[in-house]
Amino acid sequence: IVLTQSPATLSLSPGDRATLSCRASQSLTDYLVWYQQRPGQAPRLLMSDATTRATGIPARFIGSGSGTDFTLTIDTLEPEDFGVFYCQQRLSWPPTFGGGTKLEIK
Amino acid sequence: QDNLMESGGGVVQPGGSLRLSCVASGFTFSDHGMHWVRQAPGKGLVWLAVIAYDGTNEDYADSVKGRFTISRDNSKNTLYLQMDSLRPDDTAVYFCARDQRWLIKSVFESWGQGTLVTVSS
Repeated sequence: IVLTQSPATLSLSPGDRATLSCRASQSLTDYLVWYQQRPGQAPRLLMSDATTRATGIPARFIGSGSGTDFTLTIDTLEPEDFGVFYCQQRLSWPPTFGGGTKLEIK
Repeated sequence: QDNLMESGGGVVQPGGSLRLSCVASGFTFSDHGMHWVRQAPGKGLVWLAVIAYDGTNEDYADSVKGRFTISRDNSKNTLYLQMDSLRPDDTAVYFCARDQRWLIKSVFESWGQGTLVTVSS
């Protein structure tokens, strides 16, 4: 299963809303996971099963979608929200990741 | 607090071997399946291998099958990745990652900081 993330780069300012897209080559139902990777750091789990926030993830992170089209929305960007965001499918084996969206400070 | 700490990376010649370790703390290691994921310089994430919580099952990405071996020692809270026949395209940061409890669900709940492997002559 191929995951295509868009845009490749998103330039926004703190306080803006970010909308990140992940499109799958076939239906995932809701078996879609989101991660954030800050520069020089390990990825961290944000969202599982498309809409379920991981422990400690703020409510401004909102996951939506099902089937082949998924969105990660970040309301009111904070400085620590910038980095690269990856989606990952866990419906079929092996698990695969999208190419990432870089969210940078404008 | 969950913690995963990788070690064992370094520079190795093509055809050489390395063994990576990942020491876990802050959670019951023996309850969780564990994975290795790598990231080539400037590139995205690629899943490599998984081992069940009790070590009874394992699987690999095609790119490393037959060359890499994942194992674990639950008495030492440690995950391993034996890497043989290394190639330049194996150059990457290698992360260990924890799955959810018991079943392999491929949700990588917690990650180590990674260890860099460079394959070069």
